[in-house]
Amino acid sequence: QKEVEQNSGPLSVPEGAIASLNCTYSDRGSQSFFWYRQYSGKSPELIMSIYSNGDKEDGRFTAQLNKASQYVSLLIRDSQPSDSATYLCAVPTGNKLTFGTGTQLKVEL
Amino acid sequence: EAQVTQNPRYLITVTGKKLTVTCSQNMNHEYMSWYRQDPGLGLRQIYYSMNVEVTDKGDVPEGYKVSRKEKRNFPLILESPSPNQTSLYFCASSPPRDRGEFEQFFGPGTRLTVL
Repeated sequence: QKEVEQNSGPLSVPEGAIASLNCTYSDRGSQSFFWYRQYSGKSPELIMSIYSNGDKEDGRFTAQLNKASQYVSLLIRDSQPSDSATYLCAVPTGNKLTFGTGTQLKVEL
Repeated sequence: EAQVTQNPRYLITVTGKKLTVTCSQNMNHEYMSWYRQDPGLGLRQIYYSMNVEVTDKGDVPEGYKVSRKEKRNFPLILESPSPNQTSLYFCASSPPRDRGEFEQFFGPGTRLTVL
């Protein structure tokens, strides 16, 4: 089992809809979780971090964490074409950071 | 401007010819790391460094070396490159984890082709 798993997509949503991106992880001891966004040909950038069970909101982004189910998700409300990118889930294990393979999101006009 | 810089941005080389990719950050971060990104495999950590003179292996260290003689610099060395090291490489840095974050600031990437 991979340490961090994501559906590769592409996930296509219409403009204005909610995009839901999911990530599962294998280490039950993980305490922190990160979502990075990567535009094509660019480097990843951090958009959300979450440490506690429940929801964390930042503008149009909401991260949701369920440690019992080992599941973290990212919701993007009012999706815009500029949100089209690959979203990477990352989970630290000790001093290493493990990334999922990413989910490609396409927001269609 | 706070940033991570990498050089070169693009490199085409031949099998066995030693090369170094430089990485430098101006944010006084202790933690630095190298990743490679390949289609279908995502970002995989090669090596990381917790501070000067402290380095450790990531998930895919074979064929790579690193050094951390200064806080700002973390070069990646390929002593004898092979075609399977053709990839997109990212350097990243972050503040200490005890500040509550593991936020990685990434460099612009180095696209390496080994013929």
